[in-house]
Amino acid sequence: GAGVSQSPSNKVTEKGKDVELRCDPISGHTALYWYRQRLGQGLEFLIYFQGNSAPDKSGLPSDRFSAERTGESVSTLTIQRTQQEDSAVYLCASSLTRGIENEQFFGPGTRLTVL
Amino acid sequence: AQRVTQPEKLLSVFKGAPVELKCNYSYSGSPELFWYVQYSRQRLQLLLRHISRESIKGFTADLNKGETSFHLKKPFAQEEDSAMYYCALAKDSGYSTLTFGKGTMLLVSP
Repeated sequence: GAGVSQSPSNKVTEKGKDVELRCDPISGHTALYWYRQRLGQGLEFLIYFQGNSAPDKSGLPSDRFSAERTGESVSTLTIQRTQQEDSAVYLCASSLTRGIENEQFFGPGTRLTVL
Repeated sequence: AQRVTQPEKLLSVFKGAPVELKCNYSYSGSPELFWYVQYSRQRLQLLLRHISRESIKGFTADLNKGETSFHLKKPFAQEEDSAMYYCALAKDSGYSTLTFGKGTMLLVSP
């Protein structure tokens, strides 16, 4: 079956503009995660959705970042008033449900470049 | 806060040589540890996890709570093992979000 998909694969924007990144999880997966990977760094957790529970937003770096998820399907990560330090690869992952016994499957990522 | 440290950015070995990718962590609780791998032009994928105590593609990792380490080992490296390897930590078994190290690039030469 299809894996996690993300769009766009690449996004170049100007400083100050808003961007929206999309993630389509594996069908039936109730848990969805967003991570960010800056150049030369490890992945940083941003936000986690589990079913209809309130999302864990503890990793969002500022109030310019927000994310939504419609039920157990598509999620969008929005970055407002982008800054150059937002340049990174944004990775989405999904798992069947919460708990470490459920493998996280990663998407290909969206490479964001803020000029 | 929890932290994962991978001290080597790059590890270069010859085919058939033993490999050890180092991972140290800091966390006051009882974490669960994982190794993820990203081959060239492929997605990040799970290699192995401590709770499974399994060997995948000849790789093993032992959790040493005394040394707070979870080093990845393989006795005989193969060229197809060349990839980026990330060590990751979950705070406990019920906690899903992961804290990753910066990664180690493994290059296996013929």
